[in-house]
Amino acid sequence: GQSLEQPSEVTAVEGAIVQINCTYQTSGFYGLSWYQQHDGGAPTFLSYNALDGLEETGRFSSFLSRSDSYGYLLLQELQMKDSASYFCAVSRRYNFNKFYFGSGTKLNVKP
Amino acid sequence: EAGVAQSPRYKIIEKRQSVAFWCNPISGHATLYWYQQILGQGPKLLIQFQNNGVVDDSQLPKDRFSAERLKGVDSTLKIQPAKLEDSAVYLCASSLGRGDRDPGELFFGEGSRLTVL
Repeated sequence: GQSLEQPSEVTAVEGAIVQINCTYQTSGFYGLSWYQQHDGGAPTFLSYNALDGLEETGRFSSFLSRSDSYGYLLLQELQMKDSASYFCAVSRRYNFNKFYFGSGTKLNVKP
Repeated sequence: EAGVAQSPRYKIIEKRQSVAFWCNPISGHATLYWYQQILGQGPKLLIQFQNNGVVDDSQLPKDRFSAERLKGVDSTLKIQPAKLEDSAVYLCASSLGRGDRDPGELFFGEGSRLTVL
């Protein structure tokens, strides 16, 4: 089986930097994805890491350490619109198109 | 490019009734997924199709849930009979599914919110 752990809730102020961690346990790990979901909306893809290291996309960056079974999403220059839930999801080698989602981290951005 | 289309957006039924959800994926996407998302939780995969074949349905409650993807395009998810615990958002997603060059990106529809009374 597989398990993912994320903090349930994080609060930060506008303009700050926040890091959302994700630890996973799974056999045959292939890659780690991150998704954003606003209340009542669809999850939208943010980033994907298959190799160790940092991937940067604008204000968002994602990091993966395969040896530590750990990754994080880094959000910089926080804006009010970043208030949403963030999910990490893992895929496995035997079916790398199948994604298992964590329970999500609710990010509250305050003025 | 049109996104993943789902209907209906909302459905309210009594327990033991039946309901069906429809999904039209992004054109050319070989892989289609149905996820169930209960309030406050992450999406849980119910079934995964590759073209019109089932790749994984290990978490689909087959005594009451069924899904098909005719001609490898549109898909329908049916629940019969519904239970109270089926109240959730049913998300359809698609991906290119091109093998090891896949960027790990799923494209989700807006979802169908089911309330079972």
